[in-house]
Amino acid sequence: AQRVTQPEKLLSVFKGAPVELKCNYSYSGSPELFWYVQYSRQRLQLLLRHISRESIKGFTADLNKGETSFHLKKPFAQEEDSAMYYCALRSSNTGKLIFGQGTTLQVKP
Amino acid sequence: NAGVMQNPRHLVRRRGQEARLRCSPMKGHSHVYWYRQLPEEGLKFMVYLQKENIIDESGMPKERFSAEFPKEGPSILRIQQVVRGDSAAYFCASSPPQKETQYFGPGTRLLVL
Repeated sequence: AQRVTQPEKLLSVFKGAPVELKCNYSYSGSPELFWYVQYSRQRLQLLLRHISRESIKGFTADLNKGETSFHLKKPFAQEEDSAMYYCALRSSNTGKLIFGQGTTLQVKP
Repeated sequence: NAGVMQNPRHLVRRRGQEARLRCSPMKGHSHVYWYRQLPEEGLKFMVYLQKENIIDESGMPKERFSAEFPKEGPSILRIQQVVRGDSAAYFCASSPPQKETQYFGPGTRLLVL
């Protein structure tokens, strides 16, 4: 079964602290994984995708096939990072996205 | 490019009424995906359409829900005889060819009284 799990509903850190948002997946085949972010009162937008291996707004994520994980990391959190973060898996058949439950990141001053 | 547009942004219906949700994809995009987000849950795939074709409706409830994407005009998600459990945020996303990045609309928040 195809599934994405984000075990934390809420992650609260202080500004400047490291952040790791966890994502685990279940998928038979080669997964294509994404992180989407939703800032307050804004639409869902793509943050990064594993195949591009880039860093956006200081965030990185590495696909670990052995642990079936795609955790999102940032070494020093900023207050403007406060948002809802969704990990998603794309089905290779039709391109539909399978989302995790989402994690709210709260960065305190 | 105005981005993916959805209307209405908020919709209130009484039980038994019909709800029509519209999605206008980004210019040049011919693929539309609909997702539903129930309270306290993540987004769940409902249906994937190309112009005049339903490609994957594996996430659509078997009854009362239908979707279309005509040759001209927006994609429509239609819910007949709404029930309280249909209250949710409905998001539409569009992409150019399949497997490209999906761009999301702002969502329609449906409340069934």
